[in-house]
Amino acid sequence: QLQLQESGPGLVKPSETLSLTCTVSGGSISSSTYFWGWIRQPPGKGLEWIATINYSGRTYYSPSLKSRVTISVDTPKNQFSLKLSSVTASDTAVYYCARQSSGSGSYLDYWGQGTLVTVSS
Amino acid sequence: QFVLTQPPSVSAAPGQKVTISCSGSSSNIGNSHVSWYQQLPGTAPKLLIYENDKRPSGIPDRFSGSKSGTSATLGITGLQTGDEADYYCETWENSLSAAVFGGGTKLTVL
Repeated sequence: QLQLQESGPGLVKPSETLSLTCTVSGGSISSSTYFWGWIRQPPGKGLEWIATINYSGRTYYSPSLKSRVTISVDTPKNQFSLKLSSVTASDTAVYYCARQSSGSGSYLDYWGQGTLVTVSS
Repeated sequence: QFVLTQPPSVSAAPGQKVTISCSGSSSNIGNSHVSWYQQLPGTAPKLLIYENDKRPSGIPDRFSGSKSGTSATLGITGLQTGDEADYYCETWENSLSAAVFGGGTKLTVL
């Protein structure tokens, strides 16, 4: 059974860089069938897709976050990571990692449990 | 403001049927498959429907999906109190090369 687990600091200071890692177990991140993505959810609000990457490093980014986001993959470690720079309080959210299908449509079939990141001094 | 438009809330009695709409455009729903997610309070979203009308293993057939033109619909029959959750539609926005979600619909089972 595929499992994803987010890890990283729960508290980040304003203007600093948020860094999260997603560790994939029970399957290989090197599958050509899938991408690996990040989604976030501010408290009490809806879901926002951030970015996705495949094993070869092909990436797609949300236009609204693209200037501040970097997504990367580490296939030997079966991990992928997210960096969000110059954070503000509006970046406070639960951050989820998920497996994303490739092709027409982009369903997310396996999700991590999510990790709350608070931006505060 | 979300690219995909969903009603903020819907409600129905136990045992009844409810539908949740998701409206988009030719650059997203009109040219891509739609998926639906259920998010129970305090938990991660769960895939309910993918590729417009397919159910992952383990999802009961009380849940159904359809798509017509630039809109999609999630249907839930035989409502149970355990179905109370937020429901989100999602698709690929070709003009942005990005995935997009609807704003979410809160289902209340009265």
